[in-house]
Amino acid sequence: SQTIHQWPATLVQPVGSPLSLECTVEGTSNPNLYWYRQAAGRGLQLLFYSVGIGQISSEVPQNLSASRPQDRQFILSSKKLLLSDSGFYLCAWSKRGPGELFFGEGSRLTVL
Amino acid sequence: AQSVTQPDIHITVSEGASLELRCNYSYGATPYLFWYVQSPGQGLQLLLKYFSGDTLVQGIKGFEAEFKRSQSSFNLRKPSVHWSDAAEYFCAVQAAGGFKTIFGAGTRLFVKA
Repeated sequence: SQTIHQWPATLVQPVGSPLSLECTVEGTSNPNLYWYRQAAGRGLQLLFYSVGIGQISSEVPQNLSASRPQDRQFILSSKKLLLSDSGFYLCAWSKRGPGELFFGEGSRLTVL
Repeated sequence: AQSVTQPDIHITVSEGASLELRCNYSYGATPYLFWYVQSPGQGLQLLLKYFSGDTLVQGIKGFEAEFKRSQSSFNLRKPSVHWSDAAEYFCAVQAAGGFKTIFGAGTRLFVKA
């Protein structure tokens, strides 16, 4: 069966520090991968998606970036965090074509 | 552009009462539609989905949803709510290409004894 792992679960970082959130998927190949951010009362905002290694599409201009160095690995990064980057970050994967998303357990980021 | 509206930020129902959560979408063609549930501090879990065919779809945990093209709606229902149903519920729409899923703002469900 397929599983998705996301870490760290909780992160507290100072303003201006770097960020790296990692997500890996097991039990499938060639998945579509996604990063969403969830702010209270605002639903889920799609940040990045990837349909293959090295292929990243950005949905929202910001100081975050994403990379996909391996087929089942998706990384969310920032060189310098802002207060507004605080939130709950969710990684997800889907099969090729239309279908549901499978979510990780999320990473809570607090920027102080 | 696609959009999803969940008009109710939060709803409170008594245990055993029926539930209906509203969802309206905006999309040029018939989209793929989903309902997800999220417990606090957790990821999202799929409740049900609609791609085509029968407009009344059944999901897990006793939930169902009805697609109404004329109203651009995909409301979620459950005949009898249990305390364990307390969570946040998200309606989502996916374009035909399947690359992007757009979520509504969510409806938080509170269940009172």
